[in-house]
Amino acid sequence: EAEVAQSPRYKITEKSQAVAFWCDPISGHATLYWYRQILGQGPELLVQFQDESVVDDSQLPKDRFSAERLKGVDSTLKIQPAELGDSAMYLCASSFSYEQYFGPGTRLTVT
Amino acid sequence: EDQVTQSPEALRLQEGESSSLNCSYTVSGLRGLFWYRQDPGKGPEFLFTLYSAGEEKEKERLKATLTKKESFLHITAPKPEDSATYLCAVQARLGGTSYGKLTFGQGTILTVHP
Repeated sequence: EAEVAQSPRYKITEKSQAVAFWCDPISGHATLYWYRQILGQGPELLVQFQDESVVDDSQLPKDRFSAERLKGVDSTLKIQPAELGDSAMYLCASSFSYEQYFGPGTRLTVT
Repeated sequence: EDQVTQSPEALRLQEGESSSLNCSYTVSGLRGLFWYRQDPGKGPEFLFTLYSAGEEKEKERLKATLTKKESFLHITAPKPEDSATYLCAVQARLGGTSYGKLTFGQGTILTVHP
């Protein structure tokens, strides 16, 4: 069964450092999403891509976060510099139509 | 602004004790309501999509229903392996063929004791 791949699974970094997360969506899924989930809350959208174009980045803190999907397949989310409040689970999802399928996530801890 | 509220926040059941989880929502034109299961430290796992009031979907011991204001996830004769956080999300109707973001509730933590 096809799955969304993410790496790394866990990341510990010091504040002010740069960190990057990678996502490989299910083959053939044109839409890719990055969500952030704080412990005890539901996921919240950071950025949505349709192929290589950004469709929605209204909730992305653009002063420190950036995302790209250069060839319309895999994607990278970067944080620079990381802050203590960025500690969370970063989830990637992809979709062909309405249903979104999530990867295992990257647990980020900023110390 | 789309909003989703789930209740209760936590639910403890004995094995075999049936119950329901509630998801209340407000959305500017519903395209779909989604239920996910999330185990600790893992990504959400897709369960159901409901598109219109009156629709019902079933999977093993789970049954999801939808009205114009809320959705219920009914759990019949639960087992300990059903213990997880259950997330509800809505997707608003967008123009054309765009597939929009999901707006999630905070989840219900279900614990089933043997």
